[in-house]
Amino acid sequence: AQKITQTQPGMFVQEKEAVTLDCTYDTSDPSYGLFWYKQPSSGEMIFLIYQGSYDQQNATEGRYSLNFQKARKSANLVISASQLGDSAMYFCAMSSNTGGFKTIFGAGTRLFVKA
Amino acid sequence: DSGVTQTPKHLITATGQRVTLRCSPRSGDLSVYWYQQSLDQGLQFLIHYYNGEERAKGNILERFSAQQFPDLHSELNLSSLELGDSALYFCASRRGQGVRNSYNEQFFGPGTRLTVL
Repeated sequence: AQKITQTQPGMFVQEKEAVTLDCTYDTSDPSYGLFWYKQPSSGEMIFLIYQGSYDQQNATEGRYSLNFQKARKSANLVISASQLGDSAMYFCAMSSNTGGFKTIFGAGTRLFVKA
Repeated sequence: DSGVTQTPKHLITATGQRVTLRCSPRSGDLSVYWYQQSLDQGLQFLIHYYNGEERAKGNILERFSAQQFPDLHSELNLSSLELGDSALYFCASRRGQGVRNSYNEQFFGPGTRLTVL
């Protein structure tokens, strides 16, 4: 069965510091994609970054990078130089071809950035 | 603005009623996904349509149904509503359907907040 696990319900980080949000996954499908989304208090879901299972390099998008360790089945999100506007809920998600292209989400990690 | 529109933004109704949520995907996107986000269940995948055809089903109740029309907009129908159906319902669209090296991002609409009293 496919599963996404985010073990950190809440995280605090000092402004301008880096923070790592953990995500582990489980799938038997050799082809899958991993995503991170941000949900601010306003409620919208904002796409941050994507990593494909066959990608050789870790994905980066501005201050966001994805630390992809395939053997350990982990896809941690690293946010560098945290900003107050980064305070939000962060969801890790996975899509695979198993079961017809469904996407499953983790429970989320709430990040608090302190001034 | 993701380019995905959802109507209505808020919906308040009573138990036992039926409602229809509407989603218009981004121009050019053929895939539409529906999700339910509630406090106790988190973000749950409901159903995926690609170019008018159902492609995947998740944790969608039998009281719920969906369809995607020829113009690619989609509707989620919720019937015999219960208190526990109160949630934020998201629609997301995507260019493709499977796992590929491109067009992987799902663009989320602003959501419809359903309150069942």
